[in-house]
Amino acid sequence: SAVISQKPSRDICQRGTSLTIQCQVDSQVTMMFWYRQQPGQSLTLIATANQGSEATYESGFVIDKFPISRPNLTFSTLTVSNMSPEDSSIYLCSSTRGSTDTQYFGPGTRLTVL
Amino acid sequence: AQKVTQAQTEISVVEKEDVTLDCVYETRDTTYYLFWYKQPPSGELVFLIRRNSFDEQNEISGRYSWNFQKSTSSFNFTITASQVVDSAVYFCALSEAKSGGYNKLIFGAGTRLAVHP
Repeated sequence: SAVISQKPSRDICQRGTSLTIQCQVDSQVTMMFWYRQQPGQSLTLIATANQGSEATYESGFVIDKFPISRPNLTFSTLTVSNMSPEDSSIYLCSSTRGSTDTQYFGPGTRLTVL
Repeated sequence: AQKVTQAQTEISVVEKEDVTLDCVYETRDTTYYLFWYKQPPSGELVFLIRRNSFDEQNEISGRYSWNFQKSTSSFNFTITASQVVDSAVYFCALSEAKSGGYNKLIFGAGTRLAVHP
């Protein structure tokens, strides 16, 4: 399985500010995924990041609010922009490895917006 | 539309009891994958199992077993002789084929399992 790390592990931010979350995979992967898990809820896919192309966003998520970078095959960032308390969630990145469709997840970033 | 239903919101058991977590799915695809993930209090999501739609064999891994029945569109998860360390939220997920060659995961709402000493 892929080893995935995320930074920061948690943060407390003021409304109106932005936070960039980093996701690092221990091997080259084609697809990386970003999910949001609101308190007590299930996971919702924000976008899929393919190296060398624009991220593909799911319905309800827009690039201005959640810009994503994917500069190489092992790294991606998700920025949560102009934050409000409703953005308080766990943000998780994941990737598949090889030909398997199994997604392995990072440890998540717990974001609290005051 | 793809959908995963985990009707049990919370389950509470005493250690050593067996417990079954239910998962019912909906899909029009003939080829699909089903998954179970565990999310302990630390928040990380731990992969447990992946099953493709053509393999209906039940699987056992230690105290964990999975029962996949296409006839009822169910993929249930049983923990035998539960332990306190099994306390977590368990998610069932279904993969949906998307254009571009990747599969999107559709998660159920999750079942919170509490195992008491």
